[in-house]
Amino acid sequence: EADIYQTPRYLVIGTGKKITLECSQTMGHDKMYWYQQDPGMELHLIHYSYGVNSTEKGDLSSESTVSRIRTEHFPLTLESARPSHTSQYLCASSEPRGRGTNEKLFFGSGTQLSVL
Amino acid sequence: QKEVEQDPGPLSVPEGAIVSLNCTYSNSAFQYFMWYRQYSRKGPELLMYTYSSGNKEDGRFTAQVDKSSKYISLFIRDSQPSDSATYLCAMGGTTSGTYKYIFGTGTRLKVLA
Repeated sequence: EADIYQTPRYLVIGTGKKITLECSQTMGHDKMYWYQQDPGMELHLIHYSYGVNSTEKGDLSSESTVSRIRTEHFPLTLESARPSHTSQYLCASSEPRGRGTNEKLFFGSGTQLSVL
Repeated sequence: QKEVEQDPGPLSVPEGAIVSLNCTYSNSAFQYFMWYRQYSRKGPELLMYTYSSGNKEDGRFTAQVDKSSKYISLFIRDSQPSDSATYLCAMGGTTSGTYKYIFGTGTRLKVLA
């Protein structure tokens, strides 16, 4: 059972607003990820972190930023939202290899973002 | 060419049918293979996980991996309406020194009562 939480579940906002999508996990996982998912498309990695104070950009270019000040918390921020940011954002976490779970990836329920 | 190919469906089957979902991949660096089930407007839920060629069974679900053909399958026996969801295949492995996951686009399954 995965314990990874995302808030809000749904967010509708106007163009130009600053938003932060929250993600927390209680499993003590070192690795955390943000994916973007559009209907009928594969998941695209936008940010990842291998531990506290470690963040990297993923394969998909994104105007968002992330921070990792605590192991359990990995928020994603958009400084100025635009309609092109409308998408589902999925947070995930995994344990590093060597701890027995062999990189199983667990997802939160997602945040559906609509920018008007 | 995409690293992972998955038939998007939709696939409609009657209740009780055996369902076969498939993915092909091109990168032999992939070592771990996963199937996720995703209900509408929810996050993907890990269903099956395997790292070797062969079959792995869990209840009504069987995951099959053929590394020589770069082909993976998920079989659902005695399908139920509650199995109606999108099924994503995913692979993990180290490429260019970085461990990464690659996902298929998902197959939409509808099981009719």
